[in-house]
Amino acid sequence: DAGVIQSPRHEVTEMGQEVTLRCKPISGHDYLFWYRQTMMRGLELLIYFNNNVPIDDSGMPEDRFSAKMPNASFSTLKIQPSEPRDSAVYFCASSFGSRAEAFFGQGTRLTVV
Amino acid sequence: AQKVTQAQTEISVVEKEDVTLDCVYETRDTTYYLFWYKQPPSGELVFLIRRNSFDEQNEISGRYSWNFQKSTSSFNFTITASQVVDSAVYFCALIRMDTGRRALTFGSGTRLQVQP
Repeated sequence: DAGVIQSPRHEVTEMGQEVTLRCKPISGHDYLFWYRQTMMRGLELLIYFNNNVPIDDSGMPEDRFSAKMPNASFSTLKIQPSEPRDSAVYFCASSFGSRAEAFFGQGTRLTVV
Repeated sequence: AQKVTQAQTEISVVEKEDVTLDCVYETRDTTYYLFWYKQPPSGELVFLIRRNSFDEQNEISGRYSWNFQKSTSSFNFTITASQVVDSAVYFCALIRMDTGRRALTFGSGTRLQVQP
């Protein structure tokens, strides 16, 4: 299995621009998670899906952030408009069942200048 | 609410030393799962172990061992005969099952540096 695939690996954008991060979970996994990692706040959950349905988005910082999962093999995290404080590493992860270990993608390092 | 505390921010050891990484958790749930992940300098998060709240057996996998004690709400991780390749940030995490979100709550991580 190819594992969780995220794209792009690195993204540099100007403040105010729209940014879209993409994730392909492991085939057969029914949970998908988006996490953000910063020095100040560590690893924090943004949103997670079960069977493509958003279950908990309480970690999404504000309305500028949105996430979708149109099918079992694809999810996006969009930031519009982006701000410098959104600079972070964004991880996507998937698992089979809520009790199971989550497998993480390699992350997208986002820099907003 | 749940919380995971990794009080050791950074540990430095010399190769072949044993090292223990501490993890203390808080949850009111009776059913929960505990995890350890490794984040090497390359940045990815690598799953190491999962433990459920009803299984307090210690586990050993090669040079790695884990000690789960419900009485002290701790899930400590020991690396025996450390190697330079063990240098990484290690995260302890919790999923509670009785209520609330079914997603990992991470500790702040412990950076381990193994000097040759």
